[in-house]
Amino acid sequence: AQTVTQSQPEMSVQEAETVTLSCTYDTSESDYYLFWYKQPPSRQMILVIRQEAYKQQNATENRFSVNFQKAAKSFSLKISDSQLGDAAMYFCAYRPKAAGNKLTFGGGTRVLVKP
Amino acid sequence: GAVVSQHPSWVICKSGTSVKIECRSLDFQATTMFWYRQFPKQSLMLMATSNEGSKATYEQGVEKDKFLINHASLTLSTLTVTSAHPEDSSFYICSASVAGGTYEQYFGPGTRLTVT
Repeated sequence: AQTVTQSQPEMSVQEAETVTLSCTYDTSESDYYLFWYKQPPSRQMILVIRQEAYKQQNATENRFSVNFQKAAKSFSLKISDSQLGDAAMYFCAYRPKAAGNKLTFGGGTRVLVKP
Repeated sequence: GAVVSQHPSWVICKSGTSVKIECRSLDFQATTMFWYRQFPKQSLMLMATSNEGSKATYEQGVEKDKFLINHASLTLSTLTVTSAHPEDSSFYICSASVAGGTYEQYFGPGTRLTVT
């Protein structure tokens, strides 16, 4: 069974600074997707960034970028120029490309942004 | 695009009663819908997967007779919590995806259930 581990329950960052959230996963699949989702206090899940395993290039979305290390099964998220609105729970998630389409979530990391 | 709604957003019910939560894909047809449960300060736990017109597939440990899921159309799935008890109080989130492409899951805003 696939597992996703986020080892940092909480991270604090100063506004305008950079914070990196770690995520490791375990799978025997060779082709899959990895995601970072943001859950603000409203509880609405928001997709932050997606990475396809067969793509070596790290995905970026504006101030959000990932460091995908397939061999190490590591998928970290970097938030640059942190803003107050970035404060939220962040969940790393894994989904195989094969049929089934189920997402496996990590335990989450709470990000606090200090003004 | 790809908006998923849930109704109600918050419901309080008495112990022993049943409550139904609706999940709708507003601008696309969802071949598959998922139901998650989230306890305070915890991650999302998948409860079941439903495909339109067929029976839901429940995750291990989830009581199918207690959590009834119906995916009657390509835009609507319902979760009915039967004979609710205080321990069923939680935040329930649905998501919907379309077959093909990246099978992206689009999440609803969630429903907070409180059983008194």
